[in-house]
This record gives sequence, C-alpha cells and structure tokens, in this order.
Amino acid sequence: GAVVSQHPSRVICKSGTSVKIECRSLDFQATTMFWYRQFPKQSLMLMATSNEGSKATYEQGVEKDKFLINHASLTLSTLTVTSAHPEDSSFYICSASPVGYNEQFFGPGTRLTVL
Amino acid sequence: GENVEQHPSTLSVQEGDSAVIKCTYSDSASNYFPWYKQELGKRPQLIIDIRSNVGEKKDQRIAVTLNKTAKHFSLHITETQPEDSAVYFCAARTSNSGYALNFGKGTSLLVTP
Repeated sequence: GAVVSQHPSRVICKSGTSVKIECRSLDFQATTMFWYRQFPKQSLMLMATSNEGSKATYEQGVEKDKFLINHASLTLSTLTVTSAHPEDSSFYICSASPVGYNEQFFGPGTRLTVL
Repeated sequence: GENVEQHPSTLSVQEGDSAVIKCTYSDSASNYFPWYKQELGKRPQLIIDIRSNVGEKKDQRIAVTLNKTAKHFSLHITETQPEDSAVYFCAARTSNSGYALNFGKGTSLLVTP
C-alpha cells in the first residue's frame, strides 16, 4: 500500500522560532500533497494544497507568509511554520494520493508545541 | 466551497448494538465520500469509502449509504465492539477543490461492554 511519512513526529520550540515539517511519499510519486491542521478534539482543517513545481494554494484564513510550503520534488513537501506562537500549537498532518487512487493516505502527523 | 455537516457529535452504544453516523454535504459536484477512524494522537485511517455512482457499499460490519439527491451519506456499524471506540470523520471531495477532502466535525463513538 501507499505510505506517507512525516518528520518530525513531535517538536517543541520557543515562541518566535521557525519549524520545518517534512512530508514524504515513500513508494509513490505525488504531484499534489495536502496539509491539514487539527486542534484538540476538533476536525481536520485543510490549510493548503501543495503542488509540485508551482505555488501552493492556501485556504481562506491561512497566512501564506506564515505557513511556507515547498513541494520541491514528487516525493517531498515541506511546511515551515515561521515565527511560531503558542496559538500555532497543533497536530499537523499531510496526505497524498498515488495517481488513479481515490483514497488519500495520511502521514502520521506532527505534534507541534510552541512555548 | 463544500460544507460537510456530521451528526451526532457523540454517540454511546452498548457492545453488540448498531451505530449510525450521518453526514450531509452541500456541493453537488462532490463525487467521493470516505469515512475515517481516528484514535487519539494517531493519523486517520480509512475504513470505507463510496463513490457518487454507487448507493451502498458494505465491508463486513461496516456499511455506507449515499443519497445523492438529498446530499447525505451515512455510516453504519453493526455488532459494535469496544475496539470500535474512536472518533469517526466523514469527508467529501470535489474536483473543484483540487481533490482535497472536506471533513465533518467528527463523532466520538464509545462502545461500552
């Protein structure tokens, strides 16, 4: 089956620092990856669609200058939370689908805690 | 954009009973409807999905029904077991959204022995 990995699984950082999260498709190529954010006891909210070789598409209300997305290859997308603040503390999950698949495969998620 | 409503937000059933979770969607262009199970701190796991050209799909104790006219779809779990306890999310996908998923708010299912 298709496997998506994320790194790191957990990160704790100080307010004002930047954090980079990697999302990799391990056994398939993904021209599109999706980034979601999930606050405790809430649903997954789509943040942005990451497109290989072009700019990401951000959802309304998501600051593109704060959440930088780079999809540099067909197997890697990165999300950088710049100048993180405590309110950015959340569970960040990426997903991707192999070509021809309906199912989206999710990464294991990254728990970000900003002190 | 697509708006997915999910009910109930919490559901408690006794082991062996059935559980039903319902979702509605707003965008008639939505064509794919997956259901995910998520345990605390873990990634969502697909349990069943249905495409818009099908009205019902079943996989052992789990079934999903879709009413395109009414724009609603439901998850049915029969003979529930304590290990079915988790949060369940419905989702809808449209090609207009670049194939991203729009999730319902989730249902916390508790199956008591």
